[in-house]
Amino acid sequence: GESVGLHLPTLSVQEGDNSIINCAYSNSASDYFIWYKQESGKGPQFIIDIRSNMDKRQGQRVTVLLNKTVKHLSLQIAATQPGDSAVYFCAEGVNNTDKLIFGTGTRLQVFP
Amino acid sequence: DAGVIQSPRHEVTEMGQEVTLRCKPISGHDYLFWYRQTMMRGLELLIYFNNNVPIDDSGMPEDRFSAKMPNASFSTLKIQPSEPRDSAVYFCASSFDDAGSYEQYFGPGTRLTVT
Repeated sequence: GESVGLHLPTLSVQEGDNSIINCAYSNSASDYFIWYKQESGKGPQFIIDIRSNMDKRQGQRVTVLLNKTVKHLSLQIAATQPGDSAVYFCAEGVNNTDKLIFGTGTRLQVFP
Repeated sequence: DAGVIQSPRHEVTEMGQEVTLRCKPISGHDYLFWYRQTMMRGLELLIYFNNNVPIDDSGMPEDRFSAKMPNASFSTLKIQPSEPRDSAVYFCASSFDDAGSYEQYFGPGTRLTVT
């Protein structure tokens, strides 16, 4: 049987604080990045995306930052709420391949 | 829109039995993806289709796994014979060809337990 599972990094934050979730991607040719949120018992859900010709993109309460020099991606969640508790995945894609490669994920726990 | 539909939601079977997982993509989407999620390996792409044609099956673990897409609204992932190490959550996702986005829409998943 399985003896060792993936160790999911966990970020614990207090309700109302800002959260920053980080992701290192592997392929320097990747030109498209997505953040997904997965709640317990559900499939991953799209949050926000960014192309490699941008370094920042904002959505509702979320901001994605891309640093191509060090192949790093981050997701910032403002005023974190209990409903934000989930596992967050970054995914990278290469233009014209249609595939996404998912990272291992980060668990976000929000405490009242 | 009902989103991506998967059935069954849960499947428990004995080792050696055939298992068939089903997926209905979002209407109008021309890409369909099958993923497997486990604690050991995370979320892995098994195979994907474009316009019902398999494009990349390099993630299919072995010959026991097969996938078909007979039409634009239906796909199956079959495991024959099943083994305990196949226990996982299997997700189907779909997307449409849009130069501006690679977003994939995921179904709720099928939790497979092989005893």
